[in-house]
Amino acid sequence: EDQVTQSPEALRLQEGESSSLNCSYTVSGLRGLFWYRQDPGKGPEFLFTLYSAGEEKEKERLKATLTKKESFLHITAPKPEDSATYLCALANSGGYQKVTFGTGTKLQVIP
Amino acid sequence: EPEVTQTPSHQVTQMGQEVILRCVPISNHLYFYWYRQILGQKVEFLVSFYNNEISEKSEIFDDQFSVERPDGSNFTLKIRSTKLEDSAMYFCASGGGSNQPQHFGDGTRLSIL
Repeated sequence: EDQVTQSPEALRLQEGESSSLNCSYTVSGLRGLFWYRQDPGKGPEFLFTLYSAGEEKEKERLKATLTKKESFLHITAPKPEDSATYLCALANSGGYQKVTFGTGTKLQVIP
Repeated sequence: EPEVTQTPSHQVTQMGQEVILRCVPISNHLYFYWYRQILGQKVEFLVSFYNNEISEKSEIFDDQFSVERPDGSNFTLKIRSTKLEDSAMYFCASGGGSNQPQHFGDGTRLSIL
């Protein structure tokens, strides 16, 4: 069974204090690993897709990386508007459509 | 930027009643999905829909649930004989291809009384 585990559950950073969020996963075959941002009362907002180990994607202050067992979301010099829950999710290569989500990391950036 | 829209944003229903949640996916997308998120828990897959039929469903998606694409723009989730434990946020998502990321709407908060 596909599993996604995210850590930490919550993270509090000072504005400008860089850090990383972890997503460890088990899957029989990876079709894609996704990062989403979710604001309170909203749906997940797509950030990145990673397809294979060694791949990296960047967007503004965010950078996502992938190994065969983990993905990291690095946040460089975060701002208060980066405060949100960050969700990691994966899709299995076995022809399945569903995406399996982790429980998320709730990030708070303090001015 | 194109987006997935869902209505209503909040639905309150008596236990045992039927509800229909509505979604307008991104216009050129071909794959459609429903997920739910119980308060404080993770987002869970319910069903995927492609080429006018269900392509995959989870164990949550039992006979109480059904989906339909009644026309070229809408995608609906029907829940018959609602139960208290059906209370959750229900998210619709759409994707341009099986390997493309899924884009989510802002959800319908379903409250069963």
